[in-house]
Amino acid sequence: DAGITQSPRHKVTETGTPVTLRCHQTENHRYMYWYRQDPGHGLRLIHYSYGVKDTDKGEVSDGYSVSRSKTEDFLLTLESATSSQTSVYFCAISDPFPRTGGRDTEAFFGQGTRLTVV
Amino acid sequence: RKEVEQDPGPFNVPEGATVAFNCTYSNSASQSFFWYRQDCRKEPKLLMSVYSSGNEDGRFTAQLNRASQYISLLIRDSKLSDSATYLCVVNVALSARQLTFGSGTQLTVLP
Repeated sequence: DAGITQSPRHKVTETGTPVTLRCHQTENHRYMYWYRQDPGHGLRLIHYSYGVKDTDKGEVSDGYSVSRSKTEDFLLTLESATSSQTSVYFCAISDPFPRTGGRDTEAFFGQGTRLTVV
Repeated sequence: RKEVEQDPGPFNVPEGATVAFNCTYSNSASQSFFWYRQDCRKEPKLLMSVYSSGNEDGRFTAQLNRASQYISLLIRDSKLSDSATYLCVVNVALSARQLTFGSGTQLTVLP
């Protein structure tokens, strides 16, 4: 399995509080992603990063910010949590142009963080 | 219209049956196509990539039709262990590597 871990795995927080989720990888992959998964919606991209300090918005970025100060860490922050942000959050990594050559590599996912905002 | 749309499901099939899932995508510039499998409350994992010429991996066959903008997954001789949600995944922007996921199709293989 790819070396990708998310923390925490479960969290319950109150509306209005800030929350930070961490994604850590040991694969040295350039791309990192944050998705949320909700029933009936599949996986939706929140933010992604294509390098240290290089990030961009996905389709559901409102209310979220990210930071990537090191290759291995990608942080997702909910600045002021709302009940609509109750979800399962997945981090993923990939490297579209592997240094070893060859075709696109797959995306590997972390085990997910189950966040409940009450 | 969603960028990637899948059969709504759920599919409940008996063991040994053949089942097929379809997926359509809206962006004709899409470059790469995949099927992922997700078990209940677990992370998605790559099942197989989908190539223009079609590809097979054991009981699983994936096909791509660029003209009609759809991909398919065929599972032959279904096993109980095939029960999962199958996600159609399309890369719609090669340079940005944004994988776009369908909402998934749930398969239950019944004994």
